Amino acid sequence: DQQVKQNSPSLSVQEGRISILNCDYTNSMFDYFLWYKKYPAEGPTFLISISSIKDKNEDGRFTVFLNKSAKHLSLHIVPSQPGDSAVYFCAASAKVGNEKLTFGTGTRLTIIP
Amino acid sequence: DVKVTQSSRYLVKRTGEKVFLECVQDMDHENMFWYRQDPGLGLRLIYFSYDVKMKEKGDIPEGYSVSREKKERFSLILESASTNQTSMYLCASRTGMRETQYFGPGTRLLVL
Repeated sequence: DQQVKQNSPSLSVQEGRISILNCDYTNSMFDYFLWYKKYPAEGPTFLISISSIKDKNEDGRFTVFLNKSAKHLSLHIVPSQPGDSAVYFCAASAKVGNEKLTFGTGTRLTIIP
Repeated sequence: DVKVTQSSRYLVKRTGEKVFLECVQDMDHENMFWYRQDPGLGLRLIYFSYDVKMKEKGDIPEGYSVSREKKERFSLILESASTNQTSMYLCASRTGMRETQYFGPGTRLLVL
């Protein structure tokens, strides 16, 4: 049962344009969401997070949007740069219990120069 | 800078061997985690630990055990390796609830 889903395994975007990565979740107890970025042969690194009390969080070129009613979040990267080519994982946690992270399956983003 | 290190980057073992994967963090973090990453399945939690000598099962603990004798070290043990345990294993740590998890570089394990 995949509680966090990233339905696009891959995405290609022209350098300078906007990259939009999507994530859907099914567990209504999730109230904290994160995006991680992973380069080959490296561990994931934290990118940006959002709490369910917000619907948007911005950090430089990265913005995460949360639509609670649709159980959907998205990561926008503007403008996209070649160094953004990586696999992006969204993750979610619930305040109850141990707050472990549940990860999506990942989206491979390729920025075309 | 938080540093999470894993004992090996690549490991090749035979079916039935006992395998130890070691993880060390240098930031005095309470919580440590072991995940495996497989294509199309993302990161799945195997075990985690809130404190020394404490452990909890994650989503896929079967075939694995863990040990946390010291705060900075969290070991993943494959009691009898099988080919379906061929995977990328990632260790992570965090200081407390709702805090960012920091990941090690991963160990790519091949079981023949």
